[in-house]
Amino acid sequence: DAGVIQSPRHEVTEMGQEVTLRCKPISGHDYLFWYRQTMMRGLELLIYFNNNVPIDDSGMPEDRFSAKMPNASFSTLKIQPSEPRDSAVYFCASSFPSGGMVNEQFFGPGTRLTVL
Amino acid sequence: GQQLNQSPQSMFIQEGEDVSMNCTSSSIFNTWLWYKQEPGEGPVLLIALYKAGELTSNGRLTAQFGITRKDSFLNISASIPSDVGIYFCAGQYSGAGSYQLTFGKGTKLSVIP
Repeated sequence: DAGVIQSPRHEVTEMGQEVTLRCKPISGHDYLFWYRQTMMRGLELLIYFNNNVPIDDSGMPEDRFSAKMPNASFSTLKIQPSEPRDSAVYFCASSFPSGGMVNEQFFGPGTRLTVL
Repeated sequence: GQQLNQSPQSMFIQEGEDVSMNCTSSSIFNTWLWYKQEPGEGPVLLIALYKAGELTSNGRLTAQFGITRKDSFLNISASIPSDVGIYFCAGQYSGAGSYQLTFGKGTKLSVIP
């Protein structure tokens, strides 16, 4: 089975430009998570969805960030306008909690974003 | 919010040696997870722990869920060069249907052949 798919793997853009990151979760998984990883702050949860509905977006840094999940197999994270401090690796993860127990999240390979 | 302290931050060990790393939390968790991340890749789940006191192995890896529910450790026995990477602990308190993970800052492991 294919794992979580993210695109692009690398993105270099200039400050002020719009950036869109894409994620395809593992088929059948009903939770989708967006994380940001930096050296200083480690892995930070930005937002997560359950059955395509945003559940908690308290980690989204500011209004320049937005995320959507129009269907069970696709999600986007958009930054508009981008700033140099947004440079980081962005991960998408998905999971399928069963029996109300564990949330074993499976991560994609990440998108390395560089904003010049 | 919940905070995880993971130690050590980095380790340099000789091939064949055993490794131990741990995480402590300021609050209790229902689940502890251990991930490994290699350069240019996303974290990969190694072991999941669901009950206080639980001891689980996955090959040369052994992890335990602390009895207080505020800590966990990961041991790697007889390390090999491919063990190199960053190991993350993650805790989850799935109360009220929330499945948010809190991650430690990671332990960077280097293995000297």
